[in-house]
Amino acid sequence: AQSVAQPEDQVNVAEGNPLTVKCTYSVSGNPYLFWYVQYPNRGLQFLLKYITGDNLVKGSYGFEAEFNKSQTSFHLKKPSALVSDSALYFCAVSALSGYALNFGKGTSLLVTP
Amino acid sequence: DAGVIQSPRHEVTEMGQEVTLRCKPISGHNSLFWYRQTMMRGLELLIYFNNNVPIDDSGMPEDRFSAKMPNASFSTLKIQPSEPRDSAVYFCASSLGGSDSSYEQYFGPGTRLTVT
Repeated sequence: AQSVAQPEDQVNVAEGNPLTVKCTYSVSGNPYLFWYVQYPNRGLQFLLKYITGDNLVKGSYGFEAEFNKSQTSFHLKKPSALVSDSALYFCAVSALSGYALNFGKGTSLLVTP
Repeated sequence: DAGVIQSPRHEVTEMGQEVTLRCKPISGHNSLFWYRQTMMRGLELLIYFNNNVPIDDSGMPEDRFSAKMPNASFSTLKIQPSEPRDSAVYFCASSLGGSDSSYEQYFGPGTRLTVT
């Protein structure tokens, strides 16, 4: 079985400060890991993914994520948060031989001016 | 490309009625996914297709739900009869992945279903 955990329901950060949204995963074998963002009344949008290679993955809108195999984590980060980053963020995992993604329950990010 | 297209965007129906949700995936994508999102249960995978063939429908809640993909450019999710607990946002997504799950999925805007 494969799963992800997003331990925080909500993350609050001031504009201009760095942000981190946490994700840990459980999967047999090597994982494919993804981050998606959902704005109100919209579908999920792909941000970035880790497949193999460099543990630091860069994605859209200045976001990046670090894959840590020993800690089974894939935390989403951004050096300087924007108010427009406020949204719902989902981490997802898939096993190499699987078709479908397992999504976490989501973390609501609120960036205040 | 217009992205994944879903219709209708909003659906309000009475309990017991049949509801049909529609999805047009991105051209060239060979995998299609149906998800349901609620506050209580989050995002749940209902069913996915690869090359128009259903691969796993274990997420379909019960026999009232059915999904079809008659061709590469169209899929439907049907609920018959509908119940108030089916109220949710239903998303369709597609990807190039096929059997390779390293490909990202592209989501449609969703259909907000309200069953009264």
